[in-house]
Amino acid sequence: DVKVTQSSRYLVKRTGEKVFLECVQDMDHENMFWYRQDPGLGLRLIYFSYDVKMKEKGDIPEGYSVSREKKERFSLILESASTNQTSMYLCASSVDRVDSGYTFGSGTRLTVV
Amino acid sequence: GQQLNQSPQSMFIQEGEDVSMNCTSSSIFNTWLWYKQDPGEGPVLLIALYKAGELTSNGRLTAQFGITRKDSFLNISASIPSDVGIYFCAGQTPRDDKIIFGKGTRLHILP
Repeated sequence: DVKVTQSSRYLVKRTGEKVFLECVQDMDHENMFWYRQDPGLGLRLIYFSYDVKMKEKGDIPEGYSVSREKKERFSLILESASTNQTSMYLCASSVDRVDSGYTFGSGTRLTVV
Repeated sequence: GQQLNQSPQSMFIQEGEDVSMNCTSSSIFNTWLWYKQDPGEGPVLLIALYKAGELTSNGRLTAQFGITRKDSFLNISASIPSDVGIYFCAGQTPRDDKIIFGKGTRLHILP
Protein backbone atom coordinates (compact mmCIF):
# COMPACT_ATOMS: atom_id res chain seq x y z
CA ASP A 1 0.00 0.00 0.00
CA VAL A 2 1.43 3.34 -1.02
CA LYS A 3 2.11 5.80 1.74
CA VAL A 4 2.82 9.39 2.52
CA THR A 5 4.14 9.68 6.05
CA GLN A 6 4.24 12.87 8.05
CA SER A 7 6.60 12.66 10.98
CA SER A 8 4.34 14.17 13.63
CA ARG A 9 0.58 14.08 14.13
CA TYR A 10 0.60 16.86 16.72
CA LEU A 11 3.13 19.59 17.46
CA VAL A 12 3.13 22.48 19.89
CA LYS A 13 5.74 25.16 19.32
CA ARG A 14 6.47 28.58 20.74
CA THR A 15 6.26 31.83 18.80
CA GLY A 16 9.55 32.57 17.12
CA GLU A 17 10.78 28.97 17.02
CA LYS A 18 12.03 27.43 13.80
CA VAL A 19 9.79 24.50 12.96
CA PHE A 20 10.44 21.59 10.61
CA LEU A 21 7.60 19.45 9.26
CA GLU A 22 8.82 16.32 7.53
CA CYS A 23 7.10 14.31 4.83
CA VAL A 24 8.29 11.08 3.25
CA GLN A 25 6.67 9.09 0.43
CA ASP A 26 7.52 5.54 -0.61
CA MET A 27 5.95 5.60 -4.08
CA ASP A 28 8.85 7.10 -6.06
CA HIS A 29 6.58 10.02 -6.93
CA GLU A 30 8.07 13.00 -8.72
CA ASN A 31 5.74 15.62 -7.29
CA MET A 32 5.24 16.65 -3.69
CA PHE A 33 3.07 19.34 -2.13
CA TRP A 34 2.45 21.10 1.15
CA TYR A 35 -1.01 22.43 2.03
CA ARG A 36 -2.50 23.98 5.09
CA GLN A 37 -6.10 23.37 6.03
CA ASP A 38 -8.15 25.83 8.03
CA PRO A 39 -11.89 25.76 8.80
CA GLY A 40 -13.88 27.52 6.10
CA LEU A 41 -10.81 28.02 3.90
CA GLY A 42 -10.30 24.52 2.59
CA LEU A 43 -6.88 23.41 1.38
CA ARG A 44 -4.42 26.13 0.45
CA LEU A 45 -1.19 25.33 -1.38
CA ILE A 46 1.97 26.57 0.33
CA TYR A 47 4.79 25.13 -1.78
CA PHE A 48 5.30 22.31 -4.24
CA SER A 49 8.13 20.50 -5.95
CA TYR A 50 8.25 18.63 -9.25
CA ASP A 51 11.78 17.32 -8.82
CA VAL A 52 14.67 17.01 -6.40
CA LYS A 53 16.11 20.39 -5.41
CA MET A 54 13.27 22.09 -7.24
CA LYS A 55 10.60 24.15 -5.49
CA GLU A 56 7.85 26.52 -6.48
CA LYS A 57 5.70 28.85 -4.47
CA GLY A 58 2.05 28.05 -4.09
CA ASP A 59 -0.71 30.43 -3.13
CA ILE A 60 0.41 31.26 0.42
CA PRO A 61 4.21 30.86 0.69
CA GLU A 62 4.86 33.79 3.03
CA GLY A 63 6.49 32.70 6.28
CA TYR A 64 7.42 29.28 4.92
CA SER A 65 10.25 27.65 3.03
CA VAL A 66 10.83 24.09 1.81
CA SER A 67 13.63 21.67 1.15
CA ARG A 68 13.76 18.72 -1.22
CA GLU A 69 17.22 17.16 -1.09
CA LYS A 70 15.98 13.64 -1.86
CA LYS A 71 13.14 12.51 -4.06
CA GLU A 72 11.22 10.85 -1.27
CA ARG A 73 11.43 13.66 1.29
CA PHE A 74 9.87 17.11 1.26
CA SER A 75 10.30 19.31 4.30
CA LEU A 76 8.29 22.39 5.23
CA ILE A 77 10.10 24.97 7.33
CA LEU A 78 8.55 27.72 9.39
CA GLU A 79 11.46 30.11 9.82
CA SER A 80 9.93 31.92 12.82
CA ALA A 81 6.65 30.41 13.89
CA SER A 82 3.74 32.75 14.55
CA THR A 83 0.33 32.12 16.07
CA ASN A 84 -1.39 32.62 12.71
CA GLN A 85 0.48 29.56 11.47
CA THR A 86 -1.50 27.36 13.84
CA SER A 87 -3.16 24.97 11.43
CA MET A 88 -3.41 21.46 10.02
CA TYR A 89 -0.59 20.84 7.54
CA LEU A 90 -1.04 18.22 4.85
CA CYS A 91 1.65 16.78 2.63
CA ALA A 92 0.75 15.10 -0.67
CA SER A 93 2.50 13.45 -3.57
CA SER A 94 1.59 12.47 -7.12
CA VAL A 95 3.18 10.40 -9.86
CA ASP A 96 2.76 12.96 -12.62
CA ARG A 97 1.13 16.27 -13.35
CA VAL A 98 -1.60 15.01 -15.60
CA ASP A 99 -4.61 12.89 -14.80
CA SER A 100 -3.43 11.76 -11.40
CA GLY A 101 -4.85 12.47 -8.03
CA TYR A 102 -2.79 13.21 -4.98
CA THR A 103 -1.98 10.82 -2.14
CA PHE A 104 -2.13 12.68 1.16
CA GLY A 105 -0.45 12.08 4.47
CA SER A 106 -2.46 12.01 7.69
CA GLY A 107 -1.57 15.58 8.52
CA THR A 108 0.30 17.42 11.25
CA ARG A 109 -1.75 19.60 13.55
CA LEU A 110 0.55 22.43 14.57
CA THR A 111 -0.26 24.76 17.43
CA VAL A 112 1.92 27.84 17.93
CA VAL A 113 1.61 29.39 21.37
CA GLY B 1 -6.98 32.71 -10.45
CA GLN B 2 -9.41 29.89 -10.98
CA GLN B 3 -11.72 29.09 -8.09
CA LEU B 4 -14.13 26.34 -7.24
CA ASN B 5 -17.41 26.99 -5.47
CA GLN B 6 -18.41 23.94 -3.51
CA SER B 7 -21.85 23.61 -1.96
CA PRO B 8 -23.33 23.08 0.43
CA GLN B 9 -20.78 24.01 3.06
CA SER B 10 -22.29 21.52 5.49
CA MET B 11 -25.13 19.02 5.56
CA PHE B 12 -27.06 17.34 8.35
CA ILE B 13 -28.92 14.25 7.19
CA GLN B 14 -30.56 11.15 8.59
CA GLU B 15 -28.91 7.78 8.14
CA GLY B 16 -30.26 6.14 4.99
CA GLU B 17 -30.85 9.40 3.12
CA ASP B 18 -29.25 10.20 -0.21
CA VAL B 19 -26.76 13.06 -0.40
CA SER B 20 -25.88 15.40 -3.23
CA MET B 21 -23.13 18.01 -3.39
CA ASN B 22 -21.57 19.93 -6.24
CA CYS B 23 -18.77 22.15 -7.41
CA THR B 24 -18.99 24.92 -9.96
CA SER B 25 -16.54 27.29 -11.56
CA SER B 26 -16.45 30.04 -14.12
CA SER B 27 -13.46 28.28 -15.72
CA ILE B 28 -13.06 24.91 -17.35
CA PHE B 29 -11.11 21.98 -15.94
CA ASN B 30 -9.49 18.95 -17.57
CA THR B 31 -10.04 16.59 -14.66
CA TRP B 32 -12.40 16.55 -11.70
CA LEU B 33 -11.53 14.72 -8.50
CA TRP B 34 -13.54 13.99 -5.39
CA TYR B 35 -11.86 13.35 -2.04
CA LYS B 36 -13.12 12.39 1.40
CA GLN B 37 -11.39 13.35 4.62
CA ASP B 38 -12.17 11.38 7.74
CA PRO B 39 -11.75 13.19 11.06
CA GLY B 40 -8.06 13.41 11.96
CA GLU B 41 -6.85 12.03 8.63
CA GLY B 42 -5.72 13.31 5.26
CA PRO B 43 -8.07 13.36 2.24
CA VAL B 44 -8.44 10.15 0.26
CA LEU B 45 -9.31 10.05 -3.43
CA LEU B 46 -12.81 8.65 -4.06
CA ILE B 47 -13.45 9.23 -7.74
CA ALA B 48 -11.56 10.73 -10.67
CA LEU B 49 -13.32 12.01 -13.82
CA TYR B 50 -11.45 12.67 -17.05
CA LYS B 51 -14.01 13.47 -19.76
CA ALA B 52 -16.87 15.91 -20.06
CA GLY B 53 -20.12 14.08 -19.44
CA GLU B 54 -18.42 11.13 -17.76
CA LEU B 55 -20.46 9.44 -15.05
CA THR B 56 -18.53 7.18 -12.68
CA SER B 57 -19.60 5.10 -9.69
CA ASN B 58 -17.68 3.74 -6.75
CA GLY B 59 -20.00 1.66 -4.62
CA ARG B 60 -22.71 3.96 -3.27
CA LEU B 61 -20.93 7.01 -4.70
CA THR B 62 -21.64 8.46 -8.13
CA ALA B 63 -19.93 11.48 -9.64
CA GLN B 64 -20.29 13.28 -12.95
CA PHE B 65 -18.05 15.58 -14.98
CA GLY B 66 -20.30 18.35 -16.29
CA ILE B 67 -20.76 18.78 -20.02
CA THR B 68 -19.51 22.36 -19.89
CA ARG B 69 -16.38 21.18 -17.98
CA LYS B 70 -17.18 23.84 -15.39
CA ASP B 71 -18.96 21.71 -12.82
CA SER B 72 -19.17 18.33 -11.16
CA PHE B 73 -21.45 16.66 -8.66
CA LEU B 74 -21.12 13.83 -6.17
CA ASN B 75 -24.05 11.74 -4.96
CA ILE B 76 -24.02 9.31 -2.06
CA SER B 77 -26.91 6.89 -1.85
CA ALA B 78 -28.30 5.37 1.36
CA SER B 79 -25.88 7.13 3.69
CA ILE B 80 -24.31 5.25 6.59
CA PRO B 81 -22.50 6.55 9.70
CA SER B 82 -19.03 6.03 8.21
CA ASP B 83 -19.89 8.53 5.44
CA VAL B 84 -19.32 11.31 7.98
CA GLY B 85 -16.43 13.58 7.03
CA ILE B 86 -15.44 16.39 4.72
CA TYR B 87 -15.80 15.94 0.98
CA PHE B 88 -13.59 17.98 -1.31
CA CYS B 89 -13.90 18.51 -5.01
CA ALA B 90 -10.78 19.36 -6.98
CA GLY B 91 -10.22 20.38 -10.57
CA GLN B 92 -7.10 20.21 -12.71
CA THR B 93 -6.52 23.39 -14.66
CA PRO B 94 -5.80 23.11 -18.41
CA ARG B 95 -3.32 25.97 -18.38
CA ASP B 96 -0.72 24.56 -15.98
CA ASP B 97 -2.13 21.20 -14.75
CA LYS B 98 -2.40 22.50 -11.21
CA ILE B 99 -5.07 21.06 -8.95
CA ILE B 100 -7.41 23.48 -7.21
CA PHE B 101 -9.54 22.38 -4.26
CA GLY B 102 -12.99 23.45 -3.22
CA LYS B 103 -13.54 24.49 0.40
CA GLY B 104 -15.26 21.23 1.25
CA THR B 105 -18.68 19.95 2.27
CA ARG B 106 -18.89 18.69 5.84
CA LEU B 107 -21.34 15.81 6.12
CA HIS B 108 -23.01 15.07 9.45
CA ILE B 109 -25.30 12.08 9.96
CA LEU B 110 -27.92 12.31 12.65
CA PRO B 111 -28.64 9.19 14.69
